[in-house]
Amino acid sequence: KAGVTQTPRYLIKTRGQQVTLSCSPISGHRSVSWYQQTPGQGLQFLFEYFSETQRNKGNFPGRFSGRQFSNSRSEMNVSTLELGDSALYLCASSTGWAGVMDYGYTFGSGTRLTVV
Amino acid sequence: DAKTTQPPSMDCAEGRAANLPCNHSTISGNEYVYWYRQIHSQGPQYIIHGLKNNETNEMASLIITEDRKSSTLILPHATLRDTAVYYCIVRDSHGSSNTGKLIFGQGTTLQVKP
Repeated sequence: KAGVTQTPRYLIKTRGQQVTLSCSPISGHRSVSWYQQTPGQGLQFLFEYFSETQRNKGNFPGRFSGRQFSNSRSEMNVSTLELGDSALYLCASSTGWAGVMDYGYTFGSGTRLTVV
Repeated sequence: DAKTTQPPSMDCAEGRAANLPCNHSTISGNEYVYWYRQIHSQGPQYIIHGLKNNETNEMASLIITEDRKSSTLILPHATLRDTAVYYCIVRDSHGSSNTGKLIFGQGTTLQVKP
């Protein structure tokens, strides 16, 4: 059974540019969450999607956005990149949401974004 | 903010049991305790979760105190590959708008030594 796939694995962008990261969840998983991990702030929740709808959002500026497609694949976009956006971006998938007890989220290996 | 408190680091001898404590004194009745670990340069990995009763799976055991204000993750026979950052998280899985949100603290860095 394939795991959570994130592409690309590494990315270097320039300040002011925008970037799109992709996440393919485990087959059958309908919930996809995104997290940012930095040495200073640790792992922080960005947002969660279920059935193409954003269900939850963390405390990040509007430059961070996402979407989910009908096949449950998800993308996140960061516009007007800043140096502080350099981080490991992790995607996690799960079978359900809100009231559905699951057995945890399965994380991908992440996309390492460097902004120069 | 994270609702859990963990020691920043611990050491364990290879082959011995690793006992990782977690305090969650403000846990509410419908919140579960989850444990994840993150090995360097990988995404977090789910280990185990529980509500009230002790739980065991092929990876670990979870002991939750009767008042549910603290718990201990036990790796029965630690190996070098268990060296990782271990995160204890409380999460409401039923009917909460924050259901999908995992709030990670700083975790415990477990170093398993030969």
